[in-house]
Amino acid sequence: EVQIVESGGGWVPPGKSLRLSCATSGFNFEDYAMHWVRQRPGKGLEWVSGIDWSNGGVGYADSVKGRFAVSRDNPKKSVHLQMNDLRDEDTALYYCGRDVGRTLGYVDSWGQGILVSVSS
Amino acid sequence: DIQMTQSPSSLSASVGDRVAITCQASHDIKYFLSWYQQKPGQAPKLLIHDASILEPGVTPRFSGSGSGTEFTLTISSLEPEDTATYFCHQYDDLPFTFGPGTKVDVK
Repeated sequence: EVQIVESGGGWVPPGKSLRLSCATSGFNFEDYAMHWVRQRPGKGLEWVSGIDWSNGGVGYADSVKGRFAVSRDNPKKSVHLQMNDLRDEDTALYYCGRDVGRTLGYVDSWGQGILVSVSS
Repeated sequence: DIQMTQSPSSLSASVGDRVAITCQASHDIKYFLSWYQQKPGQAPKLLIHDASILEPGVTPRFSGSGSGTEFTLTISSLEPEDTATYFCHQYDDLPFTFGPGTKVDVK
């Protein structure tokens, strides 16, 4: 069974940093690209970032480019999102998701999400 | 960036009704479009990928069509459990983007 569990969320003041982690099990992690998708309170889904199977291909939403960095650790079957210079508008539920393949495409399995709250 | 729009933003229909949700892309995305269903307090659920391919285990009451810039999600006969918000998502070009969502209420 595919399991995806996010961690590392919480409250931070604006301008600070936070690192989200996503632990996975139940599938061969290195065969899949991974994504981060967020949902602001009461709003829709926003694709944030994705990373292919080899760390060679990454992508970011314009709203986070230059502030967020995605990485993965294949031996540890985990993916991370380093979030710097956080803003109020980064407050959201952050989902980690598994792609259907090695290169960036669409998510077929999701974690339950982790809340990030940015406020003073 | 590719912008995605959806219409309607919300709809209310009765059990057994047939409904259609449209999704429009600002640029040609070929068939690189998926549809997700999200119920309150839950993670999204993948319904359709590549515009028209139904995910295993998803009821065939859901169907997808379209290519290029115009896409449609159709629910052939609404059931109470279809109450949810539906999002389209393009994965043709980075950055990937979602539509704003369509809230479906089944009376």
